[in-house]
Amino acid sequence: EVQLVESGGGLVQPGGSLRLSCAASGFTFSSSWMSWVRQAPGKGLEWLANIKLDGSEKYYVDSVKGRFTISRDNAKNSLYLQMNSLRAEDTAVYYCARSLPGKNVFDIWGQGTMVTVSS
Amino acid sequence: AIRMTQSPSSLSASTGDRVTITCRASQGINSYLAWYQQKPGKAPKLLIYAASTLHSGVPSRFSGSGSGTDFTLTISCLQSEDFATYYCQQYYSYPITYGQGTRLEIK
Repeated sequence: EVQLVESGGGLVQPGGSLRLSCAASGFTFSSSWMSWVRQAPGKGLEWLANIKLDGSEKYYVDSVKGRFTISRDNAKNSLYLQMNSLRAEDTAVYYCARSLPGKNVFDIWGQGTMVTVSS
Repeated sequence: AIRMTQSPSSLSASTGDRVTITCRASQGINSYLAWYQQKPGKAPKLLIYAASTLHSGVPSRFSGSGSGTDFTLTISCLQSEDFATYYCQQYYSYPITYGQGTRLEIK
């Protein structure tokens, strides 16, 4: 079964850090661009970042540039999001997602992991 | 960043109805437009990409059209499982951006 499973969410204080993980299975992870997308409570979707097959290219939305870092370990079939300098407005469900070949369109999503930034 | 605007923001309809949701881009995006369906507490599901290409396994009652700046998602005969929130997404340029969503509710 093709699957993505996120982990690492939780409660963190403003200014703190958190590292999210996404474990992939059922497909050739190293052949897929991967993204992180978040959704604040009751709000819409926000794409955050993506990473090329070999990790050589990364793109970010301005709101997280310089604070968040996307990375991957193809040997472990895993995607990561290192989040630093967290703010209250980063509170959201964080999804990892797989891109269709050659397109920034997401056909496989994880179940999401909740991140709450609060004192 | 390209701004995506959906209309309406919410819509009430009945099973069997035909509904259309519109998505407008702040600049031309050719056909680099996708549609997703999301149900409460669940991850989004891909319905359509390249403005009109139905993703594998998606029922044929869903269809998409448009190019440039104006796009539509049509559901030809609403089923109970179609009541959800729908999002458009442009992937013409970074950052990838979404519309604000259209909530489709049962009348």
